Amino acid sequence: QLQLQESGPGLAKPSETLSLTCTVSGGSVSSDNNYWGWIRQPPGKGLEWIGNIHYSGSTYYNPSLKSRVSISVDTSNNQFSLNLSSVSAADTAVYHCAKSTPNSETYLSTWFDPWGQGILVTVSS
Amino acid sequence: DIVMTQSPDSLAVSLGERATIDCKSSQSVLYSSNNKNYLAWYQQKPGQPPKVLIYWASTRESGVPDRFSGSGSGADFTLTISSLQAEDVAVYYCHQYYRPPYTFGQGTKLEIK
Repeated sequence: QLQLQESGPGLAKPSETLSLTCTVSGGSVSSDNNYWGWIRQPPGKGLEWIGNIHYSGSTYYNPSLKSRVSISVDTSNNQFSLNLSSVSAADTAVYHCAKSTPNSETYLSTWFDPWGQGILVTVSS
Repeated sequence: DIVMTQSPDSLAVSLGERATIDCKSSQSVLYSSNNKNYLAWYQQKPGQPPKVLIYWASTRESGVPDRFSGSGSGADFTLTISSLQAEDVAVYYCHQYYRPPYTFGQGTKLEIK
């Protein structure tokens, strides 16, 4: 059974870079042409898609965050990572990683399943 | 961006009664070449990540009780719980995967009346 687990600091300072890792178990980040994504949820609020990466390394990001986001994949450790630069209090959120199965017609991602439990990152000095 | 708008924001339903949540997209999420609606529904319980219930607007995920159903096409969709159970208390989100940036509805909080 595929499982995802986020890890990283729970606290980031304003203007610094937030770095998180998602470790995949019960499957491989290289298998089945899957996409791997990051989604965040500010406390008490809704869901915002951050970006996806294909195991080949191709990425696409939410334009609202594109200038600050970088997602990479590490196939040797079965992980993928998120870097978000120049953070502010508005970036305080629970950050989830998730898998998305590619669509055979568009070759883009589809729904997210499964999700990691999520990690709360607070941006504060 | 495709904006997803859910209604209502919150809903209180008696046990055993029907619950209905609507989701409208700012443009159609129906892909004409395969006639599929690129829409999913998720359930999120407190302290847990979202869990997919429905994809392709009406296909129930394996293991999801058959009291959950999805309907609609184009830009108007509905999630129906036919007979509300206590364990269905959660926030429900719709999600379009038609085109990036992928977007979610604001969520509908479902409670017991």
